Amino acid sequence: NAGVTQTPKFRILKIGQSMTLQCTQDMNHNYMYWYRQDPGMGLKLIYYSVGAGITDKGEVPNGYNVSRSTTEDFPLRLELAAPSQTSVYFCASSLPGQGIYEQYFGPGTRLTVT
Amino acid sequence: QKEVEQNSGPLSVPEGAIASLNCTYSDRGSQSFFWYRQYSGKSPELIMFIYSNGDKEDGRFTAQLNKASQYVSLLIRDSQPSDSATYLCAVNIMDSNYQLIWGAGTKLIIKP
Repeated sequence: NAGVTQTPKFRILKIGQSMTLQCTQDMNHNYMYWYRQDPGMGLKLIYYSVGAGITDKGEVPNGYNVSRSTTEDFPLRLELAAPSQTSVYFCASSLPGQGIYEQYFGPGTRLTVT
Repeated sequence: QKEVEQNSGPLSVPEGAIASLNCTYSDRGSQSFFWYRQYSGKSPELIMFIYSNGDKEDGRFTAQLNKASQYVSLLIRDSQPSDSATYLCAVNIMDSNYQLIWGAGTKLIIKP
């Protein structure tokens, strides 16, 4: 199993540009998440999904959009990039097991908006 | 506002000693508690979880939970330089086992 994979690893965007961060998991996990992590800060939930076709907002959804057409893929779309979106983005997935939802993370995408 | 608080550190511990990391949380309804380790420039990786009051041991790691005090800790015995990392505490939101609130992490440095 590759686990959770994310592309790209690094990206520099100009203000106003758009891009899609890709996330794929091969563990057949129903639940998937997008977080951002700013320096010295904890993870902030952007969006999450409990299954294909179902998505919901997290704590900091403004400026982002998601879709979940398959169990495996959960892309994050940034529209009209702003410097405040400079961050490291992590995708994660989880599997319900005895009611405990451990989350497994991808390697992250480091995004800079200038 | 649900919160998870951790001392940012850095916490410096001699090699071979016990490292003690602490976390407090505000949501009394939280049921699941996680400790993740994050090396610099890497993604978080799960060390262990706990959901019952008391201690849970896994190798050199022990998680301790006290729901009455809303406090969870992680002890690392026989600390090694490879344990140097940031340790993140995460707690589930009441009524949502799959959503977590994260602390900002404690940076641990193990001195040889």
